Amino acid sequence: EIVMTQSPATLSVSPGERATLSCRASQSVGTYLAWFQQKPDRAPRLLIYGVSLTSTGVPARFSGSGSGTEFTLTISSLQSEDFAVYYCQQYDKWPLTFGGGTRVEIK
Amino acid sequence: EMQLVESGGALVQPGGSLRLSCAASGFTLPNYNMIWVRQGPGKGLEWVSYISSGGTIYYADSVKGRFTISRDDAKNSVSLQMNSLRAEDTAVYYCARTGASGSYPRYWGQGTLVTVSS
Repeated sequence: EIVMTQSPATLSVSPGERATLSCRASQSVGTYLAWFQQKPDRAPRLLIYGVSLTSTGVPARFSGSGSGTEFTLTISSLQSEDFAVYYCQQYDKWPLTFGGGTRVEIK
Repeated sequence: EMQLVESGGALVQPGGSLRLSCAASGFTLPNYNMIWVRQGPGKGLEWVSYISSGGTIYYADSVKGRFTISRDDAKNSVSLQMNSLRAEDTAVYYCARTGASGSYPRYWGQGTLVTVSS
């Protein structure tokens, strides 16, 4: 099983600042990496797939990068609606696995 | 408009059974790959099961032998039959349609809560 490790667990950021979230895979997942945003009591929402492809309707301030085992989600200028929990997921091999999540909170 | 609506969540005793359903609208479900993902209280996301448009099925080890995924093409729905339920199966269960280019959940339902407790 591919283990996905996200860091940090919690990120405190002021509105308007840049946020950088990390995701590491225990083995290469190529470009089969997605990112999700989840707000309290809501279903997750797809942000990024294929490492860097933005899902429909996702603001341009969200971007993804990386390859192999190291990946990054960047939010260029945090808006109030961006404070949430973010998960990465690999879909290169079964079983599908998610990271433990990074909570982005208001500083 | 594409929509997924889960139902069937309930309080059930350990060892009991439950059947979750996910009704699709706005698209023809048999043409797509579908996934169940769960989230325990205060926990992260965990993949549970997958069924492809061609009928290929996968399960997480944690539910293999206890859960069964199936599709009802006439009802445009996918189901998850859950047997021998344990306390650790307590979670919100989401169904999702995968993306066109891989097995990532692209469209999600709102989730249904399963509580396993005596």
